This record gives sequence, structure tokens and C-alpha cells, in this order.
Amino acid sequence: AQKVTQAQTEISVVEKEDVTLDCVYETRDTTYYLFWYKQPPSGELVFLIRRNSFDEQNEISGRYSWNFQKSTSSFNFTITASQVVDSAVYFCALMDTGRRALTFGSGTRLQVQP
Amino acid sequence: GEEVAQTPKHLVRGEGQKAKLYCAPIKGHSYVFWYQQVLKNEFKFLISFQNENVFDETGMPKERFSAKCLPNSPCSLEIQATKLEDSAVYFCASSLRGGAATEAFFGQGTRLTVV
Repeated sequence: AQKVTQAQTEISVVEKEDVTLDCVYETRDTTYYLFWYKQPPSGELVFLIRRNSFDEQNEISGRYSWNFQKSTSSFNFTITASQVVDSAVYFCALMDTGRRALTFGSGTRLQVQP
Repeated sequence: GEEVAQTPKHLVRGEGQKAKLYCAPIKGHSYVFWYQQVLKNEFKFLISFQNENVFDETGMPKERFSAKCLPNSPCSLEIQATKLEDSAVYFCASSLRGGAATEAFFGQGTRLTVV
């Protein structure tokens, strides 16, 4: 069975601080995909990134960066110089190529204080 | 359309009443997924479609839940005889292809409140 664990329920930082959101996954598949979604207070789910299991290169997109490490089954997300607009719940998710449905973690609520 | 459109945004039903939720996927997308988000955070996969065919229904509570995706119509998720525990936000997502190489785009969700 697949599982995604986001151990941090809630994180509070002050604006301009860097923050890392942890994600650990379990799967027996050799081919799988990992995702991060953002859910702002308005409730919609915003796609942030997709990473396949064969690509362990880290990715940077503006203030966002992702660290994928297969050896530790982790796919962590770092926000550099956080801003108040980053306040949201962030979900890590895993997709197996068979069912093609997402298995979500329980989310990490990030609060960025001005 | 260019976005996944879910209606209604909010739905209130008395226990035992029927609830029907609609989802118009992005034009050209052939896969549709329904998820249930309860307790603010927990997501549960319900069902997926490839065009009008059920692709995976392993998450569907079979007794009271049903779903359809018919040609030229919005997809629908119907709950017969709603229960308090059905209160949740129901998200629909669509993707161009069902493969994991394509991301799913989510609608705004329908908040169902059963009283």
C-alpha cells in the first residue's frame, strides 16, 4: 500500500525566513510520481511540481525548491524568503502508475507572519 | 473550458436527502477524478473515469455513492440518503491523459454540509 507522511502539522515563521516542509513516502512501485500542491485559504488546490522516480535532480523555481532523495524516500519542499502570501496548507502526494490516483499526505499548514 | 468547473460551490442537505454534484472537466481532457476532503485536510480518492468509462472505483462507497461521465454532459457524483459523515469538500480533477506524467488540474470544490 502507498503512504505519504507529512509529520509537520503546522509551521509558523516570520516573513523572510526560509522554511522546509517535509514529505516521506512509501511505495512498492519502482516507477511513481511525486507532487506538491498548495491549498490557500480560499480552498482551491494549486499544482506546484511533479517529479518522477527516475529523476533525482533537485529543482528550483523562484523562491521554491524541492529536494528528492530516493535513498530516504523523501521529497522535501523549501520556500526561501517566505512571504505572507505563502500562508496555506501544502500537500505532498504520490501517484502510482497503475491506479493513477493520488495518495495525499495529511498536509502541513504554513503560517507566515508579517 | 480552461478550468475545471464544479457546481454548486456549496450544498446543504438534510440527513437522508440526495445530493448531486457536477464537474465539467477541462476541454480535451479525457480523465476525470473525484476526491473527498474531510476534516479539513484528509483527501480520499473516490473514483476516476477515462472518458465515459469507469477507470478505477476502488475508493467509492458502493452503497450510496454513484458517479457518471456521459458524453456532452458534465460528470456527476451522486450521494443517495446522505449521512452526517458525508459532510466534506468534494474535488473534481481532470487530466489530459491518465498517465502520471500529466498533472491533474483541480476544480474549486463543492462543499457539502449534511445537517
